[in-house]
Amino acid sequence: DGGITQSPKYLFRKEGQNVTLSCEQNLNHDAMYWYRQDPGQGLRLIYYSQIVNDFQKGDIAEGYSVSREKKESFPLTVTSAQKNPTAFYLCASSLESLTVEQFFGPGTRLTVL
Amino acid sequence: AQSVTQLDSQVPVFEEAPVELRCNYSSSVSVYLFWYVQYPNQGLQLLLKYLSGSTLVKGINGFEAEFNKSQTSFHLRKPSVHISDTAEYFCAVSSGSARQLTFGSGTQLTVLP
Repeated sequence: DGGITQSPKYLFRKEGQNVTLSCEQNLNHDAMYWYRQDPGQGLRLIYYSQIVNDFQKGDIAEGYSVSREKKESFPLTVTSAQKNPTAFYLCASSLESLTVEQFFGPGTRLTVL
Repeated sequence: AQSVTQLDSQVPVFEEAPVELRCNYSSSVSVYLFWYVQYPNQGLQLLLKYLSGSTLVKGINGFEAEFNKSQTSFHLRKPSVHISDTAEYFCAVSSGSARQLTFGSGTQLTVLP
């Protein structure tokens, strides 16, 4: 089955530690995205990548980093510089077009203790 | 810049009653509009999209939406809701000026027995 996988589903980390969230897709999509979701705020774009080895900052990139070494994979690192990292993180992918829907993974809920 | 406003954060409705979830957008260029649904602790699933053509768009699960350019709205409707429609609904817009989706803050639809 084609789709997007995110792992783990739940993640707990101590304050000050970096943590990497995994996102893999087998849809052969060129574009991939990371969103952060907080209650009552909808989805906010962290980073996106339209092609391998290239990515752009979204609206809230501070304290996050990404890489895109393979078409299928777009991992997100939440660094210790992110002041309030506890949130639900969603990965998405799409064909490289504005008119085409984005397909979402199941999400990772990160809790920083 | 593009933006999306979902006017109601919560909409309670009784089972088998009709429902309308409101969405207004702002953009200076032609837009593409989307409605997504999110069930608890899951990713987002596309309900329907407007790209061009007929202003009445039909989607999955009996939902439909109407694009109104003069009022810059894209309201979501369903004539008779079910308990299983309880979820959060997000309106999103993309346009030629921004190669990304902008999401509204979401509307929690709760269907009561």
